[in-house]
Amino acid sequence: AQTVTQSQPEMSVQEAETVTLSCTYDTSESDYYLFWYKQPPSRQMILVIRQEAYKQQNATENRFSVNFQKAAKSFSLKISDSQLGDAAMYFCAYRSARSGTYKYIFGTGTRLKVLA
Amino acid sequence: NAGVTQTPKFQVLKTGQSMTLQCAQDMNHEYMSWYRQDPGMGLRLIHYSVGAGITDQGEVPNGYNVSRSTTEDFPLRLLSAAPSQTSVYFCASSYLQGLGLYGYTFGSGTRLTVV
Repeated sequence: AQTVTQSQPEMSVQEAETVTLSCTYDTSESDYYLFWYKQPPSRQMILVIRQEAYKQQNATENRFSVNFQKAAKSFSLKISDSQLGDAAMYFCAYRSARSGTYKYIFGTGTRLKVLA
Repeated sequence: NAGVTQTPKFQVLKTGQSMTLQCAQDMNHEYMSWYRQDPGMGLRLIHYSVGAGITDQGEVPNGYNVSRSTTEDFPLRLLSAAPSQTSVYFCASSYLQGLGLYGYTFGSGTRLTVV
């Protein structure tokens, strides 16, 4: 069975600085998708970025980028130029690409605090 | 606005009471699911559905029932509420293939307290 581990329950970053959130996963599959979701205090879950395992190029969305290391089964999220609005819980998630498999597996989350 | 609508946003139940959490989506997503979120445990899958008339159990199904009579609706029923079911509940939907690669669309969640 696949698992997703976020080993940092809480992180802090100074406004305008860069922070990296860690995520590791365990799977025997070669084709899958990885996601980072943001959950602000409003509770709404928002997709931040996604990565297809077959793509070697790391995904980037504005100030958010990932460092995808397939062999190491690592999928970290880098937030550049941190803003107060980035303060939230961040969840890493895994989804198999195998036909007939649709479930997402989530990590336990990392709470990010942004200091003014 | 298109999306996933969950009702109610907040609910307090007494132990033993039953209730239904509603979830509706208007994006024609085949896949719908219910998660519960507890501190330190992330999101855990309760039940899911890949289409009308098809449901299956997730990781923590005990004490919950679901049905999927239409593509749009996926209600979650608590049969006899227990304090252990105090949690935040999320409904999430996606396409099965293709655009499903873009991830879930989540509802805004229901905070349930069982006293």
